[in-house]
Amino acid sequence: GENVEQHPSTLSVQEGDSAVIKCTYSDSASNYFPWYKQELGKRPQLIIDIRSNVGEKKDQRIAVTLNKTAKHFSLHITETQPEDSAVYFCAASVGSYIPTFGRGTSLIVHP
Amino acid sequence: GAVVSQHPSWVICKSGTSVKIECRSLDFQATTMFWYRQFPKQSLMLMATSNEGSKATYEQGVEKDKFLINHASLTLSTLTVTSAHPEDSSFYICSARVPGVGTEAFFGQGTRLTVV
Repeated sequence: GENVEQHPSTLSVQEGDSAVIKCTYSDSASNYFPWYKQELGKRPQLIIDIRSNVGEKKDQRIAVTLNKTAKHFSLHITETQPEDSAVYFCAASVGSYIPTFGRGTSLIVHP
Repeated sequence: GAVVSQHPSWVICKSGTSVKIECRSLDFQATTMFWYRQFPKQSLMLMATSNEGSKATYEQGVEKDKFLINHASLTLSTLTVTSAHPEDSSFYICSARVPGVGTEAFFGQGTRLTVV
């Protein structure tokens, strides 16, 4: 089955800095890669996703890149703000099959 | 986006009792729902896939008789933790996809279960 590795487990940055979270996956058939943000005690919410036919996608301060050859994808957050503090999960799936989640990255943005 | 509602948001129960958690898709019909368990500072661990009108599919290591799943309608799946013990204390979250629309998973707000 699919195995998703996520690093780092904790990321601490100063407000205004950039944050990068990296994930690797094992199943070359995976073609859908969502990123979820989970605030403490709340539900995970999709913040951005990318499909295997695209190398990069951007939405305001958030961007995701995908390298299919290397089987890794990354989340980039620029100009971080304290409200970006949360746990971020990457995931990989084959189409609409059940996604496999990474272990999560706790992002802390210091004001 | 689609809305998945989970109830209750938190529950405290005595050891040995059973607790039922409900997961509802409010604005779409979900033939399949997923139940996850999340320990503090850890990832979402898939427990089982709930299938409307048929038996749930459990992940390896998940006790079927302890975590009873019922998906009797297209908008409701329930997870019952039977004979709960303190080690069952955790955050339980359900999710569902909108059929035929896309691959995004919508999550319920989660249930914090504490067994005392």
